[in-house]
Amino acid sequence: NAGVTQTPKFQVLKTGQSMTLQCAQDMNHEYMSWYRQDPGMGLRLIHYSVGAGITDQGEVPNGYNVSRSTTEDFPLRLLSAAPSQTSVYFCATKPYDKNIQYFGAGTRLSVL
Amino acid sequence: GNSVTQMEGPVTLSEEAFLTINCTYTATGYPSLFWYVQYPGEGLQLLLKATKADDKGSNKGFEATYRKETTSFHLEKGSVQVSDSAVYFCALVNFNKFYFGSGTKLNVKP
Repeated sequence: NAGVTQTPKFQVLKTGQSMTLQCAQDMNHEYMSWYRQDPGMGLRLIHYSVGAGITDQGEVPNGYNVSRSTTEDFPLRLLSAAPSQTSVYFCATKPYDKNIQYFGAGTRLSVL
Repeated sequence: GNSVTQMEGPVTLSEEAFLTINCTYTATGYPSLFWYVQYPGEGLQLLLKATKADDKGSNKGFEATYRKETTSFHLEKGSVQVSDSAVYFCALVNFNKFYFGSGTKLNVKP
């Protein structure tokens, strides 16, 4: 049972490059979310989705885009990477009726 | 607004010592409260939760009680082990949005 799978695990970008962080889940959870984790700041919510076709902003959405075309996938797009986006990114899912989140292993992103 | 404040670390304890990690929150409405644990190189795992005032969450010897009057959800364990070394996050959920504290690193020495 794979659970929540994030790819890639590590990525180095140059300022201005674009990329997509992938998140896939096989638990049929309606809710999916993206967080960034920075030292001393805990996890901050970037975007979330309560189901296919529905997305909404979290605390720190600027510079990131998301879409949810299927229940299984919730990609996070950086259109023009900036050094301030250097962070560890986590995807998480939960079922609609329970507030128990399941996290992926994370993607460590460095923007030079 | 919604926010979570937890004590800064790192916290260093000897094996079998008593652990307390403080957590307070501000929230509108009636949030659910959580403690998550993160081991090196991994994502967060749910440790325990409480959904309403006076609920006590417990798991693996850890406990926390939802105190609405003091807006607190302190994590406790009576006797820590080396294997408990990790980063602990307090969190709340309100209207489908989760808010996390900054994390407290726990080091347990043999």
